[in-house]
Amino acid sequence: LAKTTQPISMDSYEGQEVNITCSHNNIATNDYITWYQQFPSQGPRFIIQGYKTKVTNEVASLFIPADRKSSTLSLPRVSLSDTAVYYCLVGDAQGSTLGRLYFGRGTQLTVWP
Amino acid sequence: NAGVTQTPKFQVLKTGQSMTLQCAQDMNHEYMSWYRQDPGMGLRLIHYSVGAGITDQGEVPNGYNVSRSTTEDFPLRLLSAAPSQTSVYFCASSYSFRGVPYEQYFGPGTRLTVT
Repeated sequence: LAKTTQPISMDSYEGQEVNITCSHNNIATNDYITWYQQFPSQGPRFIIQGYKTKVTNEVASLFIPADRKSSTLSLPRVSLSDTAVYYCLVGDAQGSTLGRLYFGRGTQLTVWP
Repeated sequence: NAGVTQTPKFQVLKTGQSMTLQCAQDMNHEYMSWYRQDPGMGLRLIHYSVGAGITDQGEVPNGYNVSRSTTEDFPLRLLSAAPSQTSVYFCASSYSFRGVPYEQYFGPGTRLTVT
């Protein structure tokens, strides 16, 4: 089961780019990397998912190096509303059955004015 | 679409009582799961289901039962509530992509207190 390690907290200012790195040394060949965002008193919300290289959508980019032992979530030009906990998950796919996604403690991102 | 709905929003139980947390989704997702989140902690997977009639244990399954008789519903049963089960419970659903849950949609949560 691939575990993940993220910084507990990060601070940034409005308008800056934020990069949150996740370590997953034991990632398996079939595993995907997924990031979620959670605001207080709400369920997590999907941000982005990738397998290798770079994935970009309208809210974030995900960079995955060739060895896939880490990944970096990049949030461009953050605003106060991006203050949240960000979780990195590594999918544990098991053949034809669905795997299990495990959340760690996540990274508390605080954006200051 | 209502998305993922959970009932009740809040619940207080006495130790030893049993209850069922309800979860329903209207997106025809095959994958559903239950998580618990304790203060200052991440989410921990309790049970999950890859389709009607199929369930499996997650990281912290003890004290909980699930069943999946329909695609839409995935109830979580607490057999004999204990104070250690005080937590916020989230239900989620998604379709799968190459065997991995993709873009899970989470419900609003049920805040459970066991006294």
